[in-house]
Amino acid sequence: AQKITQTQPGMFVQEKEAVTLDCTYDTSDQSYGLFWYKQPSSGEMIFLIYQGSYDEQNATEGRYSLNFQKARKSANLVISASQLGDSAMYFCAMSPASGGSYIPTFGRGTSLIVHP
Amino acid sequence: EAQVTQNPRYLITVTGKKLTVTCSQNMNHEYMSWYRQDPGLGLRQIYYSMNVEVTDKGDVPEGYKVSRKEKRNFPLILESPSPNQTSLYFCASSLSVQGLMEIGYEQYFGPGTRLTVT
Repeated sequence: AQKITQTQPGMFVQEKEAVTLDCTYDTSDQSYGLFWYKQPSSGEMIFLIYQGSYDEQNATEGRYSLNFQKARKSANLVISASQLGDSAMYFCAMSPASGGSYIPTFGRGTSLIVHP
Repeated sequence: EAQVTQNPRYLITVTGKKLTVTCSQNMNHEYMSWYRQDPGLGLRQIYYSMNVEVTDKGDVPEGYKVSRKEKRNFPLILESPSPNQTSLYFCASSLSVQGLMEIGYEQYFGPGTRLTVT
């Protein structure tokens, strides 16, 4: 069984500063994918970034980067130069890449508030 | 515009009255799924479909039904809704299950349906 843990229910950051949102995972699968999604107050789910378990380089997408530490089973999201529009819920998710289970697992989310 | 649509966006109903939430995608995606989101619990998958006529249970399938007769549509059916099914529901699609799992094709989410069962 897979498990995603996001230990920070809420985070605050000053505009233009960087912030790290924590995500740890547990799986017995050798191959898997890790995702981050953003959910603003309007409710939609927005894909941010993906990291494959065999990717040696950390994924980056604009101001988003994923700090992937496989041995520690962590996949933290780093947002550089925070903007007011980054205020939202952030969900870490994992999908197995093989086997009979095609059920992604989501964490409980971290609420990020960016202060001006 | 590539999108996943859900209808209705908001629904208040009473216990036991059958309802259907529609989901449609225009991206020719093979993989579609339904999630429910409850405060403090994140998203939990209800059902998923890898292609037409292929559906399977997610983590919380009890009380729900789905069908996939066409590639673009994946309706969620609540035969006899109960108050514990009050939730925010999301439909999502991805190019393929292999893409989702192995290549990192993201899931495209619909706007959500807020359901209240009294």
